[in-house]
Amino acid sequence: EDKVVQSPLSLVVHEGDTVTLNCSYEVTNFRSLLWYKQEKKAPTFLFMLTSSGIEKKSGRLSSILDKKELFSILNITATQTGDSAIYLCAVSISNFGNEKLTFGTGTRLTIIP
Amino acid sequence: NAGVTQTPKFQVLKTGQSMTLQCAQDMNHNSMYWYRQDPGMGLRLIYYSASEGTTDKGEVPNGYNVSRLNKREFSLRLESAAPSQTSVYFCASSVQTTGILFFGPGTRLTVL
Repeated sequence: EDKVVQSPLSLVVHEGDTVTLNCSYEVTNFRSLLWYKQEKKAPTFLFMLTSSGIEKKSGRLSSILDKKELFSILNITATQTGDSAIYLCAVSISNFGNEKLTFGTGTRLTIIP
Repeated sequence: NAGVTQTPKFQVLKTGQSMTLQCAQDMNHNSMYWYRQDPGMGLRLIYYSASEGTTDKGEVPNGYNVSRLNKREFSLRLESAAPSQTSVYFCASSVQTTGILFFGPGTRLTVL
């Protein structure tokens, strides 16, 4: 059974801190790993990672994939209150020519001013 | 360019009632999906449609049916609602060859 596990489940930090969110996976036919941010409504796309060791970066957010150890991390530096959200990790799996996403349960990040 | 739209935003049903959740996308995407999100369970795939004219079961299809009406529209039907179907439902779409999903705003459904 395909499995995506995120840790920690929740995290509370002060504004300005740096956080690291973890995502490990056990799946067949891995295609890519994606990170989403979910504030009050729909998840919005952050990163898609397909190759090991290549960091993707967007402003204060960055992410990297390790396909040998089957995990990814999402780093957020100099956190702001606007970073408060649920961060979802998902793994894209090739299934008879189609791709499907399996999601982890998410990490709820709260930034205290 | 509205992206993915869903109706209704909120719905309350009694056990045994039926309803259809509507979803439309204007991004010319081939693939469309229905997910449900429950506390502590993450997003779980109910049904998906890889392309117009095809539908397939996801992880939790029991109690649901879908229709891919055309390339733009993908509806989810609950024939006889049960309290276990209380959830937030998200529709999403993607270009078939990538895993980047674009989500609609969600429908919060309560079944009493």
